[in-house]
Amino acid sequence: AQKITQTQPGMFVQEKEAVTLDCTYDTSDQSYGLFWYKQPSSGEMIFLIYQGSYDEQNATEGRYSLNFQKARKSANLVISASQLGDSAMYFCAMREAQSNFGNEKLTFGTGTRLTIIP
Amino acid sequence: GAVVSQHPSRVICKSGTSVKIECRSLDFQATTMFWYRQFPKKSLMLMATSNEGSKATYEQGVEKDKFLINHASLTLSTLTVTSAHPEDSSFYICSASRGTDLNSEAFFGQGTRLTVV
Repeated sequence: AQKITQTQPGMFVQEKEAVTLDCTYDTSDQSYGLFWYKQPSSGEMIFLIYQGSYDEQNATEGRYSLNFQKARKSANLVISASQLGDSAMYFCAMREAQSNFGNEKLTFGTGTRLTIIP
Repeated sequence: GAVVSQHPSRVICKSGTSVKIECRSLDFQATTMFWYRQFPKKSLMLMATSNEGSKATYEQGVEKDKFLINHASLTLSTLTVTSAHPEDSSFYICSASRGTDLNSEAFFGQGTRLTVV
């Protein structure tokens, strides 16, 4: 089974509108972390936002917020007031606390290509 | 500024030659670094975990002798693609975290676009 599922391969959104990018995850761990990264055409991976499994509040970072629904195992990214520069690939990722060694790997979803229309 | 630096950003090599890609953590020590491979319009697939002072841990299906990883210091990991073939052409990207907590941000290098001709 896929650990991270992003069901939207591509999305087109009008500039200044809000957009929600879906992400569901699968883990049996109680302790885990969820990340969203943006990858523009240049290829770099830009960290956007983090949500811990024990965090009671939804994470927010500027125009980015994470709609965390633990029971549904979903961690959707919401981008408010979208801008042309938001056009990029967006990846949801998870880090599980699988061992005592720490610094575990990130598992990525397949990504969503977001295109902002002027 | 970048905290993880990857070099080179682009490389073109002939079939049969080897290519070395460097990943450096600039202002922190990284006992663990990760190497990913990304095909066009696809996700990042973990290739291996690079451990300072010990052997790398490879993911299932990744050829150890093909993709040599060396993590000789706390700030440098190298990935060498040996006897490169056109099917090795891809985007390779490394990452490292400052800490070992779950919420430690993974910093990524700029990536290396390898083209084997």
